[in-house]
Amino acid sequence: GENVEQHPSTLSVQEGDSAVIKCTYSDSASNYFPWYKQELGKRPQLIIDIRSNVGEKKDQRIAVTLNKTAKHFSLHITETQPEDSAVYFCAASGSGVDTGRRALTFGSGTRLQVQP
Amino acid sequence: DGGITQSPKYLFRKEGQNVTLSCEQNLNHDAMYWYRQDPGQGLRLIYYSQIVNDFQKGDIAEGYSVSREKKESFPLTVTSAQKNPTAFYLCASSPSPGGSYEQYFGPGTRLTVT
Repeated sequence: GENVEQHPSTLSVQEGDSAVIKCTYSDSASNYFPWYKQELGKRPQLIIDIRSNVGEKKDQRIAVTLNKTAKHFSLHITETQPEDSAVYFCAASGSGVDTGRRALTFGSGTRLQVQP
Repeated sequence: DGGITQSPKYLFRKEGQNVTLSCEQNLNHDAMYWYRQDPGQGLRLIYYSQIVNDFQKGDIAEGYSVSREKKESFPLTVTSAQKNPTAFYLCASSPSPGGSYEQYFGPGTRLTVT
Protein backbone atom coordinates (compact mmCIF):
# COMPACT_ATOMS: atom_id res chain seq x y z
CA GLY A 1 0.00 0.00 0.00
CA GLU A 2 0.89 3.66 0.01
CA ASN A 3 3.52 4.94 2.43
CA VAL A 4 4.07 8.68 2.95
CA GLU A 5 7.19 9.98 4.70
CA GLN A 6 7.32 13.60 5.88
CA HIS A 7 10.32 15.69 6.99
CA PRO A 8 11.24 17.46 9.15
CA SER A 9 9.12 16.58 12.17
CA THR A 10 9.72 20.04 13.66
CA LEU A 11 10.76 23.29 12.01
CA SER A 12 11.50 26.62 13.64
CA VAL A 13 11.94 29.76 11.52
CA GLN A 14 12.11 33.49 12.12
CA GLU A 15 9.16 35.60 11.07
CA GLY A 16 9.60 36.61 7.45
CA ASP A 17 11.76 33.63 6.52
CA SER A 18 10.64 30.79 4.26
CA ALA A 19 9.70 27.30 5.40
CA VAL A 20 9.92 24.12 3.35
CA ILE A 21 8.37 20.77 4.25
CA LYS A 22 9.06 17.68 2.16
CA CYS A 23 7.17 14.45 1.59
CA THR A 24 7.88 11.28 -0.34
CA TYR A 25 5.38 8.65 -1.37
CA SER A 26 5.70 5.06 -2.50
CA ASP A 27 2.76 4.33 -4.81
CA SER A 28 3.40 5.55 -8.34
CA ALA A 29 -0.36 5.40 -9.02
CA SER A 30 -1.03 8.21 -6.52
CA ASN A 31 -2.39 11.26 -8.30
CA TYR A 32 -3.66 13.65 -5.63
CA PHE A 33 -1.49 15.39 -3.02
CA PRO A 34 -3.16 17.71 -0.47
CA TRP A 35 -1.61 19.64 2.39
CA TYR A 36 -3.50 20.24 5.62
CA LYS A 37 -2.86 22.67 8.47
CA GLN A 38 -3.94 21.74 11.97
CA GLU A 39 -3.91 24.18 14.85
CA LEU A 40 -3.79 22.86 18.39
CA GLY A 41 -6.97 20.99 19.32
CA LYS A 42 -8.67 21.81 16.02
CA ARG A 43 -9.60 19.99 12.84
CA PRO A 44 -7.21 19.78 9.88
CA GLN A 45 -7.94 22.35 7.18
CA LEU A 46 -6.92 22.02 3.54
CA ILE A 47 -4.48 24.78 2.54
CA ILE A 48 -3.43 23.67 -0.93
CA ASP A 49 -3.49 20.58 -3.12
CA ILE A 50 -1.95 19.44 -6.38
CA ARG A 51 -2.76 16.78 -8.90
CA SER A 52 -0.29 14.67 -10.82
CA ASN A 53 -0.77 16.48 -14.10
CA VAL A 54 0.68 19.67 -12.60
CA GLY A 55 4.23 20.33 -11.39
CA GLU A 56 3.65 23.41 -9.27
CA LYS A 57 0.79 25.35 -7.77
CA LYS A 58 0.78 28.66 -5.88
CA ASP A 59 -1.71 30.42 -3.68
CA GLN A 60 -0.40 33.72 -2.31
CA ARG A 61 2.40 32.82 0.17
CA ILE A 62 1.96 29.07 -0.22
CA ALA A 63 3.23 26.87 -3.02
CA VAL A 64 3.45 23.15 -3.62
CA THR A 65 5.80 21.39 -6.04
CA LEU A 66 5.50 17.83 -7.28
CA ASN A 67 8.16 15.60 -8.82
CA LYS A 68 6.39 12.47 -10.02
CA THR A 69 9.55 10.82 -11.24
CA ALA A 70 11.20 11.05 -7.85
CA LYS A 71 7.88 10.59 -6.02
CA HIS A 72 8.23 13.59 -3.80
CA PHE A 73 6.33 16.81 -3.20
CA SER A 74 7.04 19.85 -1.08
CA LEU A 75 5.22 22.69 0.65
CA HIS A 76 6.80 26.13 0.52
CA ILE A 77 5.63 28.97 2.76
CA THR A 78 7.19 32.37 2.11
CA GLU A 79 7.23 35.44 4.36
CA THR A 80 6.16 33.35 7.35
CA GLN A 81 4.02 34.92 10.05
CA PRO A 82 3.37 33.82 13.65
CA GLU A 83 -0.13 32.69 12.65
CA ASP A 84 1.48 30.13 10.33
CA SER A 85 2.56 28.23 13.46
CA ALA A 86 0.73 24.88 13.39
CA VAL A 87 1.17 21.24 12.43
CA TYR A 88 1.22 20.60 8.69
CA PHE A 89 0.33 17.25 7.15
CA CYS A 90 0.94 16.03 3.63
CA ALA A 91 -1.13 13.23 2.11
CA ALA A 92 -1.31 11.17 -1.04
CA SER A 93 -4.06 9.26 -2.75
CA GLY A 94 -4.68 7.33 -5.90
CA SER A 95 -7.88 6.60 -7.74
CA GLY A 96 -8.02 3.16 -6.20
CA VAL A 97 -8.54 1.50 -9.57
CA ASP A 98 -5.41 -0.57 -9.17
CA THR A 99 -5.16 -0.96 -5.41
CA GLY A 100 -8.79 -0.88 -4.38
CA ARG A 101 -7.88 1.70 -1.75
CA ARG A 102 -9.62 5.00 -2.28
CA ALA A 103 -8.53 7.06 0.70
CA LEU A 104 -5.77 9.45 1.68
CA THR A 105 -2.58 8.27 3.36
CA PHE A 106 -1.14 10.97 5.62
CA GLY A 107 2.42 11.82 6.57
CA SER A 108 3.33 12.03 10.24
CA GLY A 109 3.20 15.83 10.38
CA THR A 110 5.58 18.78 10.77
CA ARG A 111 5.28 21.15 13.69
CA LEU A 112 6.14 24.61 12.36
CA GLN A 113 7.02 27.33 14.83
CA VAL A 114 7.41 30.88 13.54
CA GLN A 115 9.35 33.02 15.98
CA PRO A 116 8.30 36.71 16.08
CA ASP B 1 -16.44 24.79 8.76
CA GLY B 2 -20.11 23.89 9.06
CA GLY B 3 -21.60 20.84 7.45
CA ILE B 4 -19.86 18.02 9.25
CA THR B 5 -20.40 17.55 12.95
CA GLN B 6 -19.13 15.17 15.57
CA SER B 7 -20.46 14.63 19.03
CA PRO B 8 -19.59 14.73 21.79
CA LYS B 9 -16.41 16.83 21.84
CA TYR B 10 -15.08 14.98 24.89
CA LEU B 11 -16.01 11.45 25.93
CA PHE B 12 -14.96 9.47 28.97
CA ARG B 13 -15.50 5.73 29.35
CA LYS B 14 -14.43 2.92 31.59
CA GLU B 15 -12.31 0.14 30.20
CA GLY B 16 -14.38 -2.74 28.85
CA GLN B 17 -17.27 -0.59 27.65
CA ASN B 18 -18.20 -0.10 24.02
CA VAL B 19 -18.71 3.50 22.94
CA THR B 20 -20.18 5.00 19.77
CA LEU B 21 -18.94 8.25 18.26
CA SER B 22 -21.31 10.22 16.10
CA CYS B 23 -20.52 11.78 12.71
CA GLU B 24 -23.13 13.63 10.63
CA GLN B 25 -22.77 15.65 7.43
CA ASN B 26 -25.24 17.73 5.44
CA LEU B 27 -22.90 18.36 2.51
CA ASN B 28 -24.46 15.61 0.40
CA HIS B 29 -21.06 13.93 0.23
CA ASP B 30 -20.86 10.32 -0.89
CA ALA B 31 -17.67 9.33 0.93
CA MET B 32 -17.01 9.39 4.67
CA TYR B 33 -13.92 8.48 6.68
CA TRP B 34 -12.80 7.85 10.25
CA TYR B 35 -9.27 8.65 11.42
CA ARG B 36 -7.47 8.25 14.70
CA GLN B 37 -4.84 10.78 15.81
CA ASP B 38 -2.41 10.13 18.65
CA PRO B 39 -0.15 12.84 20.13
CA GLY B 40 2.68 13.75 17.78
CA GLN B 41 1.45 11.43 15.06
CA GLY B 42 -0.36 11.73 11.80
CA LEU B 43 -3.86 10.61 10.95
CA ARG B 44 -4.38 6.88 10.63
CA LEU B 45 -7.35 5.56 8.68
CA ILE B 46 -9.75 3.33 10.60
CA TYR B 47 -12.66 2.78 8.19
CA TYR B 48 -14.09 4.48 5.16
CA SER B 49 -17.29 4.33 3.18
CA GLN B 50 -17.70 5.31 -0.45
CA ILE B 51 -21.44 4.80 -0.60
CA VAL B 52 -24.40 3.98 1.61
CA ASN B 53 -24.47 0.41 2.96
CA ASP B 54 -20.85 -0.18 2.00
CA PHE B 55 -17.60 0.36 3.91
CA GLN B 56 -13.99 -0.82 3.87
CA LYS B 57 -11.36 -1.37 6.54
CA GLY B 58 -8.53 1.09 6.73
CA ASP B 59 -5.10 0.57 8.24
CA ILE B 60 -6.13 0.12 11.89
CA ALA B 61 -9.66 -1.34 11.82
CA GLU B 62 -9.16 -3.92 14.59
CA GLY B 63 -11.34 -3.18 17.61
CA TYR B 64 -13.61 -0.78 15.70
CA SER B 65 -16.87 -1.15 13.81
CA VAL B 66 -18.93 1.18 11.62
CA SER B 67 -22.24 1.36 9.80
CA ARG B 68 -23.47 3.49 6.89
CA GLU B 69 -27.24 3.16 6.81
CA LYS B 70 -27.78 6.76 5.72
CA LYS B 71 -25.74 9.01 3.46
CA GLU B 72 -25.53 11.66 6.18
CA SER B 73 -24.34 9.46 9.03
CA PHE B 74 -21.26 7.30 9.67
CA PRO B 75 -21.06 6.30 13.36
CA LEU B 76 -17.95 4.64 14.76
CA THR B 77 -18.10 2.12 17.61
CA VAL B 78 -14.98 1.64 19.68
CA THR B 79 -15.29 -1.83 21.14
CA SER B 80 -13.72 -3.32 24.24
CA ALA B 81 -11.41 -5.24 21.90
CA GLN B 82 -9.53 -2.05 21.01
CA LYS B 83 -6.42 -2.20 23.17
CA ASN B 84 -5.55 1.50 23.33
CA PRO B 85 -8.73 3.45 22.59
CA THR B 86 -7.71 6.76 24.15
CA ALA B 87 -7.14 9.12 21.21
CA PHE B 88 -8.52 12.01 19.16
CA TYR B 89 -10.99 10.73 16.56
CA LEU B 90 -11.67 12.68 13.38
CA CYS B 91 -14.43 12.08 10.90
CA ALA B 92 -14.20 13.42 7.35
CA SER B 93 -16.30 13.48 4.21
CA SER B 94 -15.54 13.93 0.53
CA PRO B 95 -17.78 14.85 -2.40
CA SER B 96 -17.22 11.74 -4.47
CA PRO B 97 -16.04 8.17 -4.08
CA GLY B 98 -12.34 7.80 -4.63
CA GLY B 99 -9.52 9.36 -2.69
CA SER B 100 -8.65 12.12 -5.10
CA TYR B 101 -10.86 14.83 -3.67
CA GLU B 102 -10.63 17.26 -0.78
CA GLN B 103 -11.71 15.85 2.53
CA TYR B 104 -13.63 18.03 4.96
CA PHE B 105 -13.00 17.25 8.60
CA GLY B 106 -15.33 17.39 11.57
CA PRO B 107 -14.20 19.03 14.84
CA GLY B 108 -13.18 15.70 16.38
CA THR B 109 -14.03 13.73 19.51
CA ARG B 110 -11.43 13.28 22.21
CA LEU B 111 -12.01 9.86 23.82
CA THR B 112 -10.46 8.98 27.16
CA VAL B 113 -10.76 5.44 28.46
CA THR B 114 -9.66 4.68 32.02
